[in-house]
Amino acid sequence: KAGVTQTPRYLIKTRGQQVTLSCSPISGHRSVSWYQQTPGQGLQFLFEYFSETQRNKGNFPGRFSGRQFSNSRSEMNVSTLELGDSALYLCASSPPFRQGREQYFGPGTRLTVT
Amino acid sequence: DAKTTQPPSMDCAEGRAANLPCNHSTISGNEYVYWYRQIHSQGPQYIIHGLKNNETNEMASLIITEDRKSSTLILPHATLRDTAVYYCIVRVDYGGSQGNLIFGKGTKLSVKP
Repeated sequence: KAGVTQTPRYLIKTRGQQVTLSCSPISGHRSVSWYQQTPGQGLQFLFEYFSETQRNKGNFPGRFSGRQFSNSRSEMNVSTLELGDSALYLCASSPPFRQGREQYFGPGTRLTVT
Repeated sequence: DAKTTQPPSMDCAEGRAANLPCNHSTISGNEYVYWYRQIHSQGPQYIIHGLKNNETNEMASLIITEDRKSSTLILPHATLRDTAVYYCIVRVDYGGSQGNLIFGKGTKLSVKP
């Protein structure tokens, strides 16, 4: 089975721009979670989607949003980028009924904001 | 979710067992212990989880003390590829309905030849 894929792998944006990141979960997985990883804050939960509905949200400003499509693919969007948004953005998917237990992470998208 | 305490770093000789401790003295009865690891520049990888019984899979063993206030992840024969940051996470099992994890700073394990 193919793993979680994330595109693009690397991205450079300018402050004030917006960005959309994409995540394709493992086939058959319907739950997708997003995390932000920075050297200072570590790994922080952004949000979780299940069957196209946001189930859970972390403590991030409204500039961070996401959505999930009927094929379970997910996108996250960050508007009005700030320098502090530079981070590794990770997506994880979970097998049915195991969302809180086993999460399978993608390689991440490295976003640099200049 | 209960807080965990892990040593910031540990060394282990290649081929020897790596024993990574985790303290979770405020764990409650319905909280599980999960272990993930993150190899440099990759996404975290699920290793194992347990409630109160010891668990073993192809990657590692998880030993939870009887009072459940601490646990140890054991990599029986560490290799250089096991060099990574290891995260111990304690959380309620929501029965598969909630998928977020709260990561601490973890233990950086360095396996040396």
